[in-house]
Amino acid sequence: DTAVSQTPKYLVTQMGNDKSIKCEQNLGHDTMYWYKQDSKKFLKIMFSYNNKELIINETVPNRFSPKSPDKAHLNLHINSLELGDSAVYFCASSQGQTKAFFGQGTRLTVV
Amino acid sequence: GQQLNQSPQSMFIQEGEDVSMNCTSSSIFNTWLWYKQDPGEGPVLLIALYKAGELTSNGRLTAQFGITRKDSFLNISASIPSDVGIYFCAGPQSGGSNYKLTFGKGTLLTVNP
Repeated sequence: DTAVSQTPKYLVTQMGNDKSIKCEQNLGHDTMYWYKQDSKKFLKIMFSYNNKELIINETVPNRFSPKSPDKAHLNLHINSLELGDSAVYFCASSQGQTKAFFGQGTRLTVV
Repeated sequence: GQQLNQSPQSMFIQEGEDVSMNCTSSSIFNTWLWYKQDPGEGPVLLIALYKAGELTSNGRLTAQFGITRKDSFLNISASIPSDVGIYFCAGPQSGGSNYKLTFGKGTLLTVNP
């Protein structure tokens, strides 16, 4: 069974659209994250949730809104998509302040 | 925030060769993590280091936590084609509940069969 799974794996959409990416973890972890990987492969944290509460918001435009309905899920909703939002988005989870496990990524392409 | 300087940026080697890469920081880390990312996949944890001076192996991979706690090294022995990928070092930064992993910029490894 996949530990951290995110859907969809690929997402192609037009500028101005609103889209969501879903993430679920079955590891029983209490902390979940969203990371963005740019074209140069640099991984940068966007959000961190601990027990459904937002802990970190790393200067991300407010067009990005994470939602955590429960500890096992952390979804990412993006409004008014822009060309610069094209990237690979990774969900990850950890138990407290320990090593993180990553999903397979969602490649978002905005055209 | 803290930055991790990872080198080299890329490496091209022949199958069977040994590989070394490292990561340095201007700040002290209490944990060092090494991840590998295959094309089209998410980063996968290879080795976790928790104590200064610690040397840990995972098959042909060996990683060390530097004595100064400001650096870490990853070695791959007898490389094979499936070692191809991007290797990232990462270190946790925390302040209270404000926990996140900071990543180096990665080392792209290419292995020629």
